[in-house]
Amino acid sequence: GENVEQHPSTLSVQEGDSAVIKCTYSDSASNYFPWYKQELGKRPQLIIDIRSNVGEKKDQRIAVTLNKTAKHFSLHITETQPEDSAVYFCAASTGGFKTIFGAGTRLFVKA
Amino acid sequence: DTGVSQDPRHKITKRGQNVTFRCDPISEHNRLYWYRQTLGQGPEFLTYFQNEAQLEKSRLLSDRFSAERPKGSFSTLEIQRTEQGDSAMYLCASSLFRDLDRGYGYTFGSGTRLTVV
Repeated sequence: GENVEQHPSTLSVQEGDSAVIKCTYSDSASNYFPWYKQELGKRPQLIIDIRSNVGEKKDQRIAVTLNKTAKHFSLHITETQPEDSAVYFCAASTGGFKTIFGAGTRLFVKA
Repeated sequence: DTGVSQDPRHKITKRGQNVTFRCDPISEHNRLYWYRQTLGQGPEFLTYFQNEAQLEKSRLLSDRFSAERPKGSFSTLEIQRTEQGDSAMYLCASSLFRDLDRGYGYTFGSGTRLTVV
């Protein structure tokens, strides 16, 4: 069945360093890959997404890459700041159908 | 329109009771989704609607769970004969779906936290 695996489950970085979160998906028909940020006690919020016809997308300090052949996609955060501390979820979707989420990565940015 | 609204924010119920949650999506969004999230896990798909039609329901969802979206606007999720394992955050999300070739990000509500005692 559909599955999204996410690593690492916890990531601790020093302020100013980069953070990378990696995901793999099982459904080769998946063509949309959003990333959500969830702060403690709050709703998940979409921070960036990528479609299967694109290999990389960047928005200020965050970037996503996609390797459809290997069914891997990654989130890169550069120049991390304490306010980047949160749980990040990768997800995969086929067309406009349901989205399957990874288990999440808890990111700690130490000042 | 300030986003996706869910009511109530918190619900404590005794085991065996029925509960109903409500979700009001962003008005122009035609897709509405229900997810369940437990501590330390990602959102788990329950069901979704396009307008008033329920298009898919998770196989993990027992017959005690039912959802409706009668007029294609707000939705309700009912859990009958609640069990302690139903304790979780129930998240509603909505999106504007246009065509099958594209995926669309969700706008989530703040969720309803259910505690079954």
